[in-house]
Amino acid sequence: EAGVTQFPSHSVIEKGQTVTLRCDPISGHDNLYWYRRVMGKEIKFLLHFVKESKQDESGMPNNRFLAERTGGTYSTLKVQPAELEDSGVYFCASSHGTVYGYTFGSGTRLTVV
Amino acid sequence: AQTVTQSQPEMSVQEAETVTLSCTYDTSENNYYLFWYKQPPSRQMILVIRQEAYKQQNATENRFSVNFQKAAKSFSLKISDSQLGDTAMYFCAFMPLLIAGNQFYFGTGTSLTVIP
Repeated sequence: EAGVTQFPSHSVIEKGQTVTLRCDPISGHDNLYWYRRVMGKEIKFLLHFVKESKQDESGMPNNRFLAERTGGTYSTLKVQPAELEDSGVYFCASSHGTVYGYTFGSGTRLTVV
Repeated sequence: AQTVTQSQPEMSVQEAETVTLSCTYDTSENNYYLFWYKQPPSRQMILVIRQEAYKQQNATENRFSVNFQKAAKSFSLKISDSQLGDTAMYFCAFMPLLIAGNQFYFGTGTSLTVIP
């Protein structure tokens, strides 16, 4: 079974530019989550998709962040325009919907300079 | 509000020795799960061990065990016979059993280095 795939693994962009992160969940997993870890801080929840619908986006920091999940498959997280404080590692996870079914990706390290 | 605190940013242990990583949490929920996740350098985060809050018995997975003290809201991880492959960032996490979501609340992580 393929795992959760995220790309790019690293991205360095200038302040004001746009970046799009992608997450491919495990096939058949209806639930997809985005999390973010700012350097030295805790990993924080951003949002949760069930299939193509946003179940909970309470963790999205502001309207510069836009998440989509096309046809209930892969998901993208776009940051436009990027600010310095957006730097961090963005994790994606998918699950069947049970407590025990979570699988995380390796993360995308975003650096805004 | 749910919070998870890991007070040890970095730790090191000699190979084959035992190390304990601490974690405390705060919640008003009664039904929840606790987890330890491990992220090796540049690798994906993987589950180390989990504990259901309603179970009094501490969870054990091979060399990994927890000391779960519900009243004290403490959930420490003990790694016995440490191996070089245990070098990683360790995250303590809490999941309340809400109707919708099942999102994690994580701590800030502890970077563990196993020294040969």
